[in-house]
Amino acid sequence: NAGVTQTPKFRVLKTGQSMTLLCAQDMNHEYMYWYRQDPGMGLRLIHYSVGEGTTAKGEVPDGYNVSRLKKQNFLLGLESAAPSQTSVYFCASTKGSNQPQHFGDGTRLSIL
Amino acid sequence: DQQVKQNSPSLSVQEGRISILNCDYTNSMFDYFLWYKKYPAEGPTFLISISSIKDKNEDGRFTVFLNKSAKHLSLHIVPSQPGDSAVYFCAASEWVEFYFGTGTSLTVIP
Repeated sequence: NAGVTQTPKFRVLKTGQSMTLLCAQDMNHEYMYWYRQDPGMGLRLIHYSVGEGTTAKGEVPDGYNVSRLKKQNFLLGLESAAPSQTSVYFCASTKGSNQPQHFGDGTRLSIL
Repeated sequence: DQQVKQNSPSLSVQEGRISILNCDYTNSMFDYFLWYKKYPAEGPTFLISISSIKDKNEDGRFTVFLNKSAKHLSLHIVPSQPGDSAVYFCAASEWVEFYFGTGTSLTVIP
């Protein structure tokens, strides 16, 4: 079982470049999430989706955009990368409310 | 402002003893609470959860306690094993949004 798969695992960008992080889940989960983890900050919610074609802002959405064109995929975009976006990004999915989340193994992103 | 707090960044216990990890929250609307375990270079893995209508939930060596009046959550691991050494995150949910603490690094000494 693949569960939640994140692509790529590592990436280095220059300031101002753009990129897209891909999250794919094979559990037919309705809800999907993007988090960032920074030292001493825990996991902070960037954006989430409660179904195909819907997205919503989380705690720290600025500088990011998302799309959920297919139920199994949730894309996180950085239009113009900034050094403050250097972080580890985690994707998660869940069946519904009051259900545990399943996480991918993360994407380590460095912006120079 | 942090809605879920883990005030102990680290904890060390001897193998076989009890590990107690603590978590406090501020939002009284949270109705679902979870603990996750995380190893380096991996994503968090779900450990145990509890609904706000309960005050205790057990799963093998792991027990979660919820004190709603104190807005406090704890995870007990008995007996602790070296393989339990990891970072533990507590999380709380209101509908579909989850909020995480900053984590407690547990070291179980053989």
